[in-house]
Parts: sequence; C-alpha cells; structure tokens
Amino acid sequence: EPEVTQTPSHQVTQMGQEVILRCVPISNHLYFYWYRQILGQKVEFLVSFYNNEISEKSEIFDDQFSVERPDGSNFTLKIRSTKLEDSAMYFCASSSPGKGSYNEQFFGPGTRLTVL
Amino acid sequence: AQSVTQLGSHVSVSEGALVLLRCNYSSSVPPYLFWYVQYPNQGLQLLLKYTTGATLVKGINGFEAEFKKSETSFHLTKPSAHMSDAAEYFCAVSGANNLFFGTGTRLTVIP
Repeated sequence: EPEVTQTPSHQVTQMGQEVILRCVPISNHLYFYWYRQILGQKVEFLVSFYNNEISEKSEIFDDQFSVERPDGSNFTLKIRSTKLEDSAMYFCASSSPGKGSYNEQFFGPGTRLTVL
Repeated sequence: AQSVTQLGSHVSVSEGALVLLRCNYSSSVPPYLFWYVQYPNQGLQLLLKYTTGATLVKGINGFEAEFKKSETSFHLTKPSAHMSDAAEYFCAVSGANNLFFGTGTRLTVIP
C-alpha cells in the first residue's frame, strides 16, 4: 500500500542552524502539505503546495520557512535559522487530485525536530 | 473561520466498554469533518470522514461518528473498546486547502 515517508525520523540541531525535512509523498498525489505538532499541543497547518507553488500558508509559516519540490518525488521543508520554539513533530501529507482537503490527506510518520 | 474543540484530553475506558470521544466544530461554511488516529511513533491515519449525505458515518476498526448540525458536533463512538484502540484521536475540520485539528484525546483502554 502506498504511503508517505519522511526522513529523518528525528533531527537534533543547534539554534540558528538550517534544517531540511524531507518527505516523499504518494506518487500520484498532486497536493502536498506540512503540519507541525508542538509537544502537548494541537496539530497545526503550516503550508499547502500545488502545481509547484504555495496555495495556502498559515501565519506560522513566516520567512524562516520555505518549501520546495526539487524533483518529481521529494517535497522538502526548510527552516533557515531554527529557534527553540521550532521544536516539534513535523508531519508531511499528500492528497490525490481533486479539491484540496476534501480528499483524504495521507500523513507521514513525522520528523521530530529538537532545537537546542 | 474553522476550528474544532475536543472535550477531554484523556479518556479511559475498560475493555469492552463504550468509547465516546467528543468533538465540536465551528465553521463558516458547511463543514467537512474528519477523525484521525495516531498510534505511538506513527503518522495520522484517517478513521472516517463526513462530507455530505448520511450523517452517521462508519469508519475503520468499528468506529462511527454522527454529524449533528444543530449541536455543531461530530462525536466519535465505538460500542466495545479493544486494547488495540489505545491511541491519540484527533478531530479535524476542512479549510480551503488544509485541515484544522483539535488538541487531541488520548484514549486509554484498561484490561
């Protein structure tokens, strides 16, 4: 069964460093998403991506964040200069052609980012 | 704006007992509603969704939820809890291009 994969499963970095979180969405999906979950809090939407551009972003997704689909399979989230408050679990999701989240979003297992 | 509220961050039930996890939503448009489950160290798995049509929605693993517009609720139920149901459960409502999640309810099943 196709699934969304994410690497690494756990990333530890120093404050101020750049990190890139990687995701491989399901191959025929066209919509891609990043969410994050700070420990003990709700899952929060960061950004959605379609047709090689951001379709929607939340207020959390500021200039420190960027997304890219560098090739036909990967979808990345970059944090340019990490802050302590960026420590969270980051989930990637993808959905099939159609109207955004009205189709099921399939989630990856997450990358736990720890900023020291 | 869309949002969901999950009442009870922790729910404990005995094995074989009824599971009831509460979710209330707020939406400026007719909502699409979802329940996701998260097992330890895993991603979010869709349990069930309501889009249009029948208000009682059946999902995987014996779970079901009922959309009640008058109560703005979408509570998740299962008649008989199993040990394998122990997990974190998230209610979500759709936005234009994203999902708005609740804070989650951790379900513990007592043998």
